[in-house]
Amino acid sequence: EAGVTQFPSHSVIEKGQTVTLRCDPISGHDNLYWYRRVMGKEIKFLLHFVKESKQDESGMPNNRFLAERTGGTYSTLKVQPAELEDSGVYFCASSRDRGKETQYFGPGTRLLVL
Amino acid sequence: GDSVTQMEGPVTLSEEAFLTINCTYTATGYPSLFWYVQYPGEGLQLLLKATKADDKGSNKGFEATYRKETTSFHLEKGSVQVSDSAVYFCALSSSGGSYIPTFGRGTSLIVHP
Repeated sequence: EAGVTQFPSHSVIEKGQTVTLRCDPISGHDNLYWYRRVMGKEIKFLLHFVKESKQDESGMPNNRFLAERTGGTYSTLKVQPAELEDSGVYFCASSRDRGKETQYFGPGTRLLVL
Repeated sequence: GDSVTQMEGPVTLSEEAFLTINCTYTATGYPSLFWYVQYPGEGLQLLLKATKADDKGSNKGFEATYRKETTSFHLEKGSVQVSDSAVYFCALSSSGGSYIPTFGRGTSLIVHP
């Protein structure tokens, strides 16, 4: 069974540009989560999809961030326009059910905004 | 709100040394506690967990005991290997919440041969 994959693995952009991150969850996993780790700090929750619906987006930092999950399969996270403080590692995770089931994490996308 | 505090790294050890990574937490109710590990170039993996007080989670030679009286969940291993070099994250999820984990800042472990 393939794990959670994320693309790209690294991205370097200039302030003001747009970047789109992609996450492919494990097949059959209805729950998809986005997290972010700013350098040296905690991993913070951004949002949670159940299929194509946003279940919880309380962690989204501002309206420059837009997440979508078309058809309940892969998800994209767009940052537009990017700011310096958006730099960090963006993790995606998926799980079959909600609740106490283990979330399976992807390797992350390392974003650097210059 | 919930929070997790873990020791700062990097922790540098020689192979076969004893490892302790401290983790304390603040939470309401009775959270579940976790240790995740991220090996270089890979995603976070659940290493072990404990769901109630005095439970001991263990996996791959690592252990951690849920201590409610000291609100701690310290990670230990008796003899580390070079392959244990990774970043370790302590985390909790609240019993009455959405099970979204609250993570600590991570501790980098470097094991030298």
